[in-house]
Amino acid sequence: AQTVTQSQPEMSVQEAETVTLSCTYDTSENNYYLFWYKQPPSRQMILVIRQEAYKQQNATENRFSVNFQKAAKSFSLKISDSQLGDTAMYFCAFMNNDMRFGAGTRLTVKP
Amino acid sequence: DSGVTQTPKHLITATGQRVTLRCSPRSGDLSVYWYQQSLDQGLQFLIQYYNGEERAKGNILERFSAQQFPDLHSELNLSSLELGDSALYFCASSVGPTSGGTSYNEQFFGPGTRLTVL
Repeated sequence: AQTVTQSQPEMSVQEAETVTLSCTYDTSENNYYLFWYKQPPSRQMILVIRQEAYKQQNATENRFSVNFQKAAKSFSLKISDSQLGDTAMYFCAFMNNDMRFGAGTRLTVKP
Repeated sequence: DSGVTQTPKHLITATGQRVTLRCSPRSGDLSVYWYQQSLDQGLQFLIQYYNGEERAKGNILERFSAQQFPDLHSELNLSSLELGDSALYFCASSVGPTSGGTSYNEQFFGPGTRLTVL
């Protein structure tokens, strides 16, 4: 069974600084997708970034980028130039036949 | 606004009762997914439907059941409720189903239904 592990329950960063959130997963599949979702206090689930396992190039979306290491089964999220609005829970997710989420990392951006 | 609607927003009920949560997918989406999020935890996949047919099953209890109707809306039925069933229940929809990690259809999440069992 696929499992997703986020080892950092909470993190904080100063505004305008860079922070990296960690995620590891376990699977025997070769084809899959990885995601980072943001859940602000409103509880809405918002897709931040997506990575296809067959792509070696790391995905980037504006200030958000990932470091995808397929052999190590690692998928970290880097947030550059952190903004107060980035304060939220961040969930790493793995998708093959269904979607599996990690337990989340609570990120606080401090002014 | 994702285009996925869920009703009700909040639901408070007692142990032993039965409730029904409703989800309307985005226009054009054929797949519906249900997730449970207990307090400060990640989302647990419950079940997926595609065009009326059950497509995948996750950690769904036998006390829970779901269905997708011909108009593509879906209902999640929770019965013999226990205190531990208190959670945020999300519905998501996508154009097509997931397919072994070789096809991608973005899931759009609804705002969730917060269920409180007293």
